[in-house]
Amino acid sequence: SQQGEEDPQALSIQEGENATMNCSYKTSINNLQWYRQNSGRGLVHLILIRSNEREKHSGRLRVTLDTSKKSSSLLITASRAADTASYFCATRDYGQNFVFGPGTRLSVLP
Amino acid sequence: GAVVSQHPSRVICKSGTSVKIECRSLDFQATTMFWYRQFPKQSLMLMATSNEGSKATYEQGVEKDKFLINHASLTLSTLTVTSAHPEDSSFYICSARDTNQETQYFGPGTRLLVL
Repeated sequence: SQQGEEDPQALSIQEGENATMNCSYKTSINNLQWYRQNSGRGLVHLILIRSNEREKHSGRLRVTLDTSKKSSSLLITASRAADTASYFCATRDYGQNFVFGPGTRLSVLP
Repeated sequence: GAVVSQHPSRVICKSGTSVKIECRSLDFQATTMFWYRQFPKQSLMLMATSNEGSKATYEQGVEKDKFLINHASLTLSTLTVTSAHPEDSSFYICSARDTNQETQYFGPGTRLLVL
């Protein structure tokens, strides 16, 4: 069953702009992870944030987690055309269940 | 990072035939592997969880007799789509959980087209 729900479903921005994607979930989680998928390809793990963490950075990526609101956001700064992909959040609960959200399709226009 | 491979990357078969997809963890041991199915422009849906040396656990609605999973070693899991039909055409992705149980590494996927 779906746990993480992303919004927006699709996002189109200009190169250089920032892209923000949000993920909401329903149950208690152990951690939340963000993945990227280029069209027709496998998933690439981007970042993991644990339930006791509020913010994490990795290069141009910034992830926040608000467990009180059961939501997370992924910010990509200074976007590039190569960032065009689908981005998925996935939550892991304490039972080790791992569930993906529907994803956000990001298009970065040159 | 850890690498997971899948073979084949693409397969086209006739309706009624069986197709085997392999998933290998190349540089780590994976006691647990997962099989997902992804339809175009949709998210990944977990089909089954495969534990080395034991029977796979299937998600609700996934036919275990149609999607046979074998996890014979700590580095190999196979998914066999038996008597494939056009509606089985999809992108099948496996993943393997590393030893710290936190991160799952995903294979590149196998695109199955059943004619």
